[in-house]
Amino acid sequence: SQELEQSPQSLIVQEGKNLTINCTSSKTLYGLYWYKQKYGEGLIFLMMLQKGGEEKSHEKITAKLDEKKQQSSLHITASQPSHAGIYLCGADTRAQKLVFGQGTRLTINP
Amino acid sequence: DTAVSQTPKYLVTQMGNDKSIKCEQNLGHDTMYWYKQDSKKFLKIMFSYNNKELIINETVPNRFSPKSPDKAHLNLHINSLELGDSAVYFCASSRGTSGSSNTGELFFGEGSRLTVL
Repeated sequence: SQELEQSPQSLIVQEGKNLTINCTSSKTLYGLYWYKQKYGEGLIFLMMLQKGGEEKSHEKITAKLDEKKQQSSLHITASQPSHAGIYLCGADTRAQKLVFGQGTRLTINP
Repeated sequence: DTAVSQTPKYLVTQMGNDKSIKCEQNLGHDTMYWYKQDSKKFLKIMFSYNNKELIINETVPNRFSPKSPDKAHLNLHINSLELGDSAVYFCASSRGTSGSSNTGELFFGEGSRLTVL
């Protein structure tokens, strides 16, 4: 079964609206990484969370890791067309690799 | 200078052929990875190497053979290509591996899109 579940799988929002993407792990997370991918390009690192309850922000994107370190959310405030892309969460479960969720495809309608 | 570079970016070939994808990182990282991203954008690890030593081999067919001549390079050779091998292959590197310390941020190349006809 999938170690890391992302939801929703796709999301279409109106420009200016807020949105949230969730990432849930079946194992304890020792590190949770958020990446963004634009079509035909590589993955761009957004943020890393390690401590339970940790929250980080970069411009209009905020990511949180829950106290139990098994769930993370990525929140975008006042979305813009530049936010469109595929968002992937990657989990470090001390297995010498990052395991990725299936991705959330975000579309921003003007 | 690109941190993680992979070539070629696009590869179109016939079934049954053998092909290679090369990857180089100039970040001084100890660990390199190959990931496969399928048509549904699901990113799955294939291999990882730490200082030229194979660390992870995730039930990948024997037709796939990684080679790491030094810790800055990790190449992927694929024999007898099949239709199902069509995907985008990403190379990545990180400073360390999990275990006593976290894997750390992965730096990705731009991907190599392989199409098998």
